[in-house]
Amino acid sequence: GENVEQHPSTLSVQEGDSAVIKCTYSDSASNYFPWYKQELGKGSQLIIDIRSNVGEKKDQRIAVTLNKTAKHFSLHITETQPEDSAVYFCAASTPPQGAQKLVFGQGTRLTINP
Amino acid sequence: KAGVTQTPRYLIKTRGQQVTLSCSPISGHRSVSWYQQTPGQGLQFLFEYFSETQRNKGNFPGRFSGRQFSNSRSEMNVSTLELGDSALYLCASSLYSGRTEAFFGQGTRLTVV
Repeated sequence: GENVEQHPSTLSVQEGDSAVIKCTYSDSASNYFPWYKQELGKGSQLIIDIRSNVGEKKDQRIAVTLNKTAKHFSLHITETQPEDSAVYFCAASTPPQGAQKLVFGQGTRLTINP
Repeated sequence: KAGVTQTPRYLIKTRGQQVTLSCSPISGHRSVSWYQQTPGQGLQFLFEYFSETQRNKGNFPGRFSGRQFSNSRSEMNVSTLELGDSALYLCASSLYSGRTEAFFGQGTRLTVV
């Protein structure tokens, strides 16, 4: 089955700098890759996702890139702000289950230092 | 539009007991998936329900079961609780089963003592 590895497990950056979190997956049939932000009291929010027919997707300060050949995808956060501090999870899914059966990475605790 | 609602938020049970957790999906969503989150194992898929039918199942023992009602609300049941069942249980709501995005609730924190 699918296996997702996420690095680093913790990341600390200065406010205003960029943060990059990387994930690799094992199943070449996986075609959907969401990223979730988990905060205490706010649950887990879907912040961005990408499908295998796209190489990059951006949403304001957040971008995700996908390299299908290398089977890895990355989350990029630019101009980081204190409210970006959270645990981030990447995930992958394989058809036909789609987003309803996600395999998650281990999570990255991101800390933005003021 | 209200988000995914899970109840209760916190629960303490003793070993051997059983527990039922509830999840109300986003209005109009018909797919509900359940996940277990623990520090050691991370987020692991339990099962998915769509149109009152279990569509997918993860690698959990038969003590973990679920169901979905005609209004798409779902319940998860764990029988004969073990200490290792202590975890955050998350449910995710999707419009359909398949290609649509999944949105998570805040979870139910279950502690087994």
